[in-house]
Amino acid sequence: GDSVTQMEGPVTLSEEAFLTINCTYTATGYPSLFWYVQYPGEGLQLLLKATKADDKGSNKGFEATYRKETTSFHLEKGSVQVSDSAVYFCALSVYGGSQGNLIFGKGTKLSVKP
Amino acid sequence: DAGVTQSPTHLIKTRGQQVTLRCSPKSGHDTVSWYQQALGQGPQFIFQYYEEEERQRGNFPDRFSGHQFPNYSSELNVNALLLGDSALYLCASSLFAGLNEQFFGPGTRLTVL
Repeated sequence: GDSVTQMEGPVTLSEEAFLTINCTYTATGYPSLFWYVQYPGEGLQLLLKATKADDKGSNKGFEATYRKETTSFHLEKGSVQVSDSAVYFCALSVYGGSQGNLIFGKGTKLSVKP
Repeated sequence: DAGVTQSPTHLIKTRGQQVTLRCSPKSGHDTVSWYQQALGQGPQFIFQYYEEEERQRGNFPDRFSGHQFPNYSSELNVNALLLGDSALYLCASSLFAGLNEQFFGPGTRLTVL
């Protein structure tokens, strides 16, 4: 079935460090891929998305490229800030399979130290 | 423009009881999806309502049921609560049966004692 696997956390970085959070997926249809962020005590916010192979999603300095050949959608940011501390979820949505509903990974907690 | 709202914010129940959670979608949205997020886990899809009908259902028992009203708001009902039902319950709204971006509410934290 459809699934998402993302790297285990927690990830602790110093401010201005480079961030990579790995995400791979298994899908039976033609998935759209997402990164959501959850700040402490809050619901999920869409960070970025990509709807087809080779698309790059970007927002707030974060980027992820939809790689069909490696079934991956790794999240990157060149210089993290303390305010980026949150839990990050990779997710997919498969039209015709999940009818647009989201399948999430387990989340990766990021802590950025000043 | 109000986003997705959920009520209550927190509640505590005991095993065997029943609970109802409520969700109002973002203005202009017609679809509501419910997710369960256990502590330290990613959200899991429970079901989706569109045009007042359950359109999709995840791997959850019949104790979990829902309803969508003509104004697109929705309720999630859980009967015969178990300790394992303790979780954050998230509501997400979207347009046209979830084919478009889903917007999440802040969630309802349910604790079952």
